[in-house]
Amino acid sequence: KQEVTQIPAALSVPEGENLVLNCSFTDSAIYNLQWFRQDPGKGLTSLLLIQSSQREQTSGRLNASLDKSSGRSTLYIAASQPGDSATYLCATRSNDYKLSFGAGTTVTVRA
Amino acid sequence: KAGVTQTPRYLIKTRGQQVTLSCSPISGHRSVSWYQQTPGQGLQFLFEYFSETQRNKGNFPGRFSGRQFSNSRSEMNVSTLELGDSALYLCASSAAVGNYGYTFGSGTRLTVV
Repeated sequence: KQEVTQIPAALSVPEGENLVLNCSFTDSAIYNLQWFRQDPGKGLTSLLLIQSSQREQTSGRLNASLDKSSGRSTLYIAASQPGDSATYLCATRSNDYKLSFGAGTTVTVRA
Repeated sequence: KAGVTQTPRYLIKTRGQQVTLSCSPISGHRSVSWYQQTPGQGLQFLFEYFSETQRNKGNFPGRFSGRQFSNSRSEMNVSTLELGDSALYLCASSAAVGNYGYTFGSGTRLTVV
């Protein structure tokens, strides 16, 4: 059974600082890994999708890396803004037609 | 194109009642998955449907059921509601072809009183 862990559980930074969010998983036999953002009481917004054959994926200020062999992914958010305040979730997809989620990292960016 | 649509957005039900939630996936997507999100348990997988067939089911009691129609729309049903069923129920749609990702709806907030 896939176990996904996200550290830290919460993070508070001043505006402009770079964010580093970590995700680890126990079973390296994944097809891909997806990072999501969730605002309070809302659904999930997909940020980045990294295929198992890729090492990283970038979109604007966001960059995600994947090291499948060590079971780790890192999401970097450059030059954080108050609008980046949200909960960030990582999820792996394996061959069982479901996503396995971490508990998330709640980010607060102070103006 | 339109995203994943979940209805209703909010529901308040009484213990013992039953409820049906609806999900319309992105046009062309044939897979619909359902997840339950609670503060204590996080996001938990309920079931996944592809072309009207359930391919996987999570560890939930039989009170939780679902189905998918020929147009890929899906419904989930919870019978004999319990207070612990209060949660945000999220639906995800995917193309289910190749190395696909998932797109989530805004969710249905169910409160059982």
